[in-house]
Parts: sequence; C-alpha cells; structure tokens
Amino acid sequence: GAVVSQHPSWVICKSGTSVKIECRSLDFQATTMFWYRQFPKQSLMLMATSNEGSKATYEQGVEKDKFLINHASLTLSTLTVTSAHPEDSSFYICSASGPFPLDEQFFGPGTRLTVL
Amino acid sequence: AQRVTQPEKLLSVFKGAPVELKCNYSYSGSPELFWYVQYSRQRLQLLLRHISRESIKGFTADLNKGETSFHLKKPFAQEEDSAMYYCALNEDTDKLIFGTGTRLQVFP
Repeated sequence: GAVVSQHPSWVICKSGTSVKIECRSLDFQATTMFWYRQFPKQSLMLMATSNEGSKATYEQGVEKDKFLINHASLTLSTLTVTSAHPEDSSFYICSASGPFPLDEQFFGPGTRLTVL
Repeated sequence: AQRVTQPEKLLSVFKGAPVELKCNYSYSGSPELFWYVQYSRQRLQLLLRHISRESIKGFTADLNKGETSFHLKKPFAQEEDSAMYYCALNEDTDKLIFGTGTRLQVFP
C-alpha cells in the first residue's frame, strides 16, 4: 500500500525558534498533501491543503505566516512552525492523496512538537 | 457547528458482543463518508467508505441519508478491534472533516 513518512517523529525546541517538519510519500506521487493538528484526546483538525507547485490553502483560523507550508515536489511537503511558542506544542500529522483513488488519504505517523 | 458528530468518547464491550459506533453528519449535498481506525501506536488508516458498501474486518456501515447517520457495526467484537475510530466526511472536495473519535475497548 501507499506509505507516507514524516520526519522527525518528535522534536523539542525553545520558544522563539522555528521548526521544520517533512512529509514524504514514499511510493507514489502525491498530488495533494494535507496537514492536520491533533490535541491530546481530540480529533484531527485540518490546518491546510497543499498541491504541488502552488500555494497552500489554509483553513479558517490558521495563521499562514505562522505555519509555512511548501509542497515543492510530488513526494515532499514541509510544514515550518515559525517563532514557535508553547501553545504550538501539539501532534502534527500529514496525509497525502495521489491519482489513485482520488479520495483516499494516506496518513503519516505524526510528529510530536514540544515547545519549551 | 460540528459537522461530524460521534457522541461516544468511549465504548466498552466484551469479546463476542455486538458493537455499534455512532456517527451523525451535517451536510446538505451528497456526502462521502468514511471510517478511519487508529490502533495503538499506529498511524491512522482507512477502514471503510460508504461508496464501497463492503465489509472490512467484519465491520459494516450504512449511510442513512434520512437520519444523516453512518454508524459502524460489527456483530461480534474481537479484542484486536480495540482502537480509536474516527468518522470522516468529504464535502465534495478532497478535504476530510473528522469527528472527535470513539475509543473502542474490547475486553476478553
């Protein structure tokens, strides 16, 4: 089946620094990638949708300048949390969908971000 | 407003008992509905979708447009079914709207 990886799996950073999280589709070309945020014992909240080569579409309430998304190739999307603060601490999950079947998303294992 | 509602945070049953995880949605168009499952320390994965009308691991789910529901059912629960289950709605876009999830615990 289609595999999506995320790197790193966990990261601890100081307040005010920026953190980059990578999402890769390993065995298929992902035309669309999605970034979610999950708080403890809560559901996944979609942050943004990105298509290769175009700007990401952010959900209402998500700061574009805070969460920079780049989808430079059909197998890689990155999420950069800029000037991180403790309230940005969360579990970030990416998913990817390709040309087959169009409506199935394959999820990465997630990245746990802790901002001190 | 919550577009996908899973009223139960936790559902506990004994092995062999029937299971029904409830999901209600709010959408005026033609919805596409999914059930995703997350086993302990594993990533989220698709369990089934309503358009397939198939049974996966003994689970079935029927879309009831009149009741705007997509409940997940299994006649005889197994211990390995213990996991977090999420109902999700696709609103004619690629975006998935997830419910808050139901944790299923199956006791031996």
